[in-house]
Amino acid sequence: EAGVTQFPSHSVIEKGQTVTLRCDPISGHDNLYWYRRVMGKEIKFLLHFVKESKQDESGMPNNRFLAERTGGTYSTLKVQPAELEDSGVYFCASSQGLLGPLNEKLFFGSGTQLSVL
Amino acid sequence: AQRVTQPEKLLSVFKGAPVELKCNYSYSGSPELFWYVQYSRQRLQLLLRHISRESIKGFTADLNKGETSFHLKKPFAQEEDSAMYYCALKGSNYQLIWGAGTKLIIKP
Repeated sequence: EAGVTQFPSHSVIEKGQTVTLRCDPISGHDNLYWYRRVMGKEIKFLLHFVKESKQDESGMPNNRFLAERTGGTYSTLKVQPAELEDSGVYFCASSQGLLGPLNEKLFFGSGTQLSVL
Repeated sequence: AQRVTQPEKLLSVFKGAPVELKCNYSYSGSPELFWYVQYSRQRLQLLLRHISRESIKGFTADLNKGETSFHLKKPFAQEEDSAMYYCALKGSNYQLIWGAGTKLIIKP
């Protein structure tokens, strides 16, 4: 089966510009998560979609970040305007059910390396 | 507070030696803990979870509630075990709370 795909794999932009990251989850996976790893720090949760609805967006750092999942399929994460501290690796993950039950696990994309100069 | 601590950023051992990657957690309820691994040029993937009490690729991890630990162990390290290892805790809202990761290097 096709895995979780993320695009682009790398993005280099200047401070103040806008960048949009895309994630295509595994087909049929209702749950989609965004995570971020800033250099030298732990991976942090950003938000969680169940189908097209935002289940939890408590990890979004500020209102410069906007995530959407129209139609409950792919998701986009837009950063506008980008700041230096937004640099890091943005991971997307999906699961069929909610994380936790015995047979449930997250499938991760390869990540998008974002560099804001 | 919900937190995961991996005290070692880097762990280097010789092939054939035992490996122990440390993980401590802070969680008020009944924890669900995971180990994820990222091999070079590959994506993050689940290695094992405490609830299934499994052994994957020779690795095991036991939840010790008294010490609030979930250390990852393997009796004999292999070169292909070299990777980045992350301990994670399922948070109250179904998200994962991550440790900072430990880079494991197996020397030949």
